[in-house]
Amino acid sequence: NAGVMQNPRHLVRRRGQEARLRCSPMKGHSHVYWYRQLPEEGLKFMVYLQKENIIDESGMPKERFSAEFPKEGPSILRIQQVVRGDSAAYFCASSPTGTMSYTFGSGTRLTVV
Amino acid sequence: GQQLNQSPQSMFIQEGEDVSMNCTSSSIFNTWLWYKQDPGEGPVLLIALYKAGELTSNGRLTAQFGITRKDSFLNISASIPSDVGIYFCAGFNSGNTPLVFGKGTRLSVIA
Repeated sequence: NAGVMQNPRHLVRRRGQEARLRCSPMKGHSHVYWYRQLPEEGLKFMVYLQKENIIDESGMPKERFSAEFPKEGPSILRIQQVVRGDSAAYFCASSPTGTMSYTFGSGTRLTVV
Repeated sequence: GQQLNQSPQSMFIQEGEDVSMNCTSSSIFNTWLWYKQDPGEGPVLLIALYKAGELTSNGRLTAQFGITRKDSFLNISASIPSDVGIYFCAGFNSGNTPLVFGKGTRLSVIA
């Protein structure tokens, strides 16, 4: 059983481009969480999704950022018109229904040049 | 929002020494978790604590859930080089609230 799969591992984008980060949860996990980690910082919650529903997006910037977790396929975190300040590691975690047993992926490291 | 304060921010210790780090919160949590993050990887769960006062061990790691439910401690005994990494505490309250993380304690072990 593969763990939480994130891709790409590294992503370089020019300012103004779009970044798409993918997360496939563990088999049987229906809850997905996205966190952002800046250098030398802890993990900051961004958004919590279940299949086809956004449960909590209180940590996500109102503009340029969006997330989805469709019925089929991976969860996608989308950042439009990236800026240098978006450079960070983005981690996805998944859990079974109603528990805090998060399993994290290895992250996507986004660099905006 | 809820904040977790971890201390120390970083530690340099000799191999074989014991390590203590702690985490405090401005509000109560029902569950405390400790994670370790290796360079270039995601956090991995080390210990989960579910009850105030609970003391739990996992090998050389021991963690405690504070009586006030506003703090937690992690101890590592007889440190080894592979203990190097960032240790995060995290608090959790209910099914629909996300984990809240501290900023981490960066541990370096000198052989």
